[in-house]
Amino acid sequence: TQLLEQSPQFLSIQEGENLTVYCNSSSVFSSLQWYRQEPGEGPVLLVTVVTGGEVKKLKRLTFQFGDARKDSSLHITAAQPGDTGLYLCAGAHAGGTSYGKLTFGQGTILTVHP
Amino acid sequence: KAGVTQTPRYLIKTRGQQVTLSCSPISGHRSVSWYQQTPGQGLQFLFEYFSETQRNKGNFPGRFSGRQFSNSRSEMNVSTLELGDSALYLCASSFSGGVETQYFGPGTRLLVL
Repeated sequence: TQLLEQSPQFLSIQEGENLTVYCNSSSVFSSLQWYRQEPGEGPVLLVTVVTGGEVKKLKRLTFQFGDARKDSSLHITAAQPGDTGLYLCAGAHAGGTSYGKLTFGQGTILTVHP
Repeated sequence: KAGVTQTPRYLIKTRGQQVTLSCSPISGHRSVSWYQQTPGQGLQFLFEYFSETQRNKGNFPGRFSGRQFSNSRSEMNVSTLELGDSALYLCASSFSGGVETQYFGPGTRLLVL
């Protein structure tokens, strides 16, 4: 089973604090995507990482893909109330049995208080 | 470029009925994947279609089925609805269904009474 363990499940912080969300697996992924989802809406893509050791920055968000492509992290600097939402990591494997299939972590519900 | 669209956005059905959900992918994308999202199980993969062929299937009962048309639009059908089928159903499209990015639609919220 190709599982993605995401932690923490819940995060409640004050505006201006920093936070990190982790995504870990025992299997190697060919690519990993991070999404943010609002209640009742579909996940919106934040970033896709494909190379081991890759670091991508999106304004106050920094994404890292582990060297072995088994883990990833999302770091938010100086969180704002607008960052509130469900953050999901999702991994993809290459190969015929994996066509079109993303394996999702359980998600992290982030609440940023003003 | 228009994003992934799904219709309807909301549905209320009763047990035993069947339902058909529709998904239009991003123009040029030929792969459509379907997912079920529930509070308890999170996002789970249902199946994937490419060029009108189902290439991959998740661990769901045969009551869940789908198809894809020549214009890449896809439908999924759930027959003999059960209370546990209440969920947000999401479709995602990508160019080829490989390891590239999938883009999600807004989802269809299904409530089974």
